[in-house]
Amino acid sequence: DQQVKQNSPSLSVQEGRISILNCDYTNSMFDYFLWYKKYPAEGPTFLISISSIKDKNEDGRFTVFLNKSAKHLSLHIVPSQPGDSAVYFCAANQAGTALIFGKGTTLSVSS
Amino acid sequence: EAGVAQSPRYKIIEKRQSVAFWCNPISGHATLYWYQQILGQGPKLLIQFQNNGVVDDSQLPKDRFSAERLKGVDSTLKIQPAKLEDSAVYLCASSLAPPIGAFFGQGTRLTVV
Repeated sequence: DQQVKQNSPSLSVQEGRISILNCDYTNSMFDYFLWYKKYPAEGPTFLISISSIKDKNEDGRFTVFLNKSAKHLSLHIVPSQPGDSAVYFCAANQAGTALIFGKGTTLSVSS
Repeated sequence: EAGVAQSPRYKIIEKRQSVAFWCNPISGHATLYWYQQILGQGPKLLIQFQNNGVVDDSQLPKDRFSAERLKGVDSTLKIQPAKLEDSAVYLCASSLAPPIGAFFGQGTRLTVV
């Protein structure tokens, strides 16, 4: 039973354009949602998070939107840069418990 | 601030052999996690420690996997005996308190042949 789903294995965008990565979840009890970025041969690095009581969180070029009624969140990267090319993982959890990850979306930004 | 340290980075073993991985979390982080990431999948939790106590090991295959966290700091994960399907990257992470700010190490890539 996959509680966090990233249905798009890959996404390609041009430099300067917007990248939108999507994530769906099934557990309505999740309190926090996070995005991690992973380069090859490195561990995941924390990118941005959002609490379930909010619907938007912004940090520079990165914005996460949460739609609780649809059990859906998205990560927007504007503008996209070649250095953003990586695997992006959506993760979620209830307070006090470990993160549950999606399968990841590989983002490729071409110059 | 030093990050999460893991060793070794790579390990190749034959099936039925044993292997151990080591993790040193960020200083002061009470919570430590071991995740398994199979190629093409997201990280899957194996075990979560709070200080030196186990919080969640429901997905740890206890017939072959074991983990301990001595004195609430370093941790080791052991596989004995290894199977081909154990080939994966084993990630250690730590946090002050779940869930925010879980920091990952670089991982250990295990290949079982």
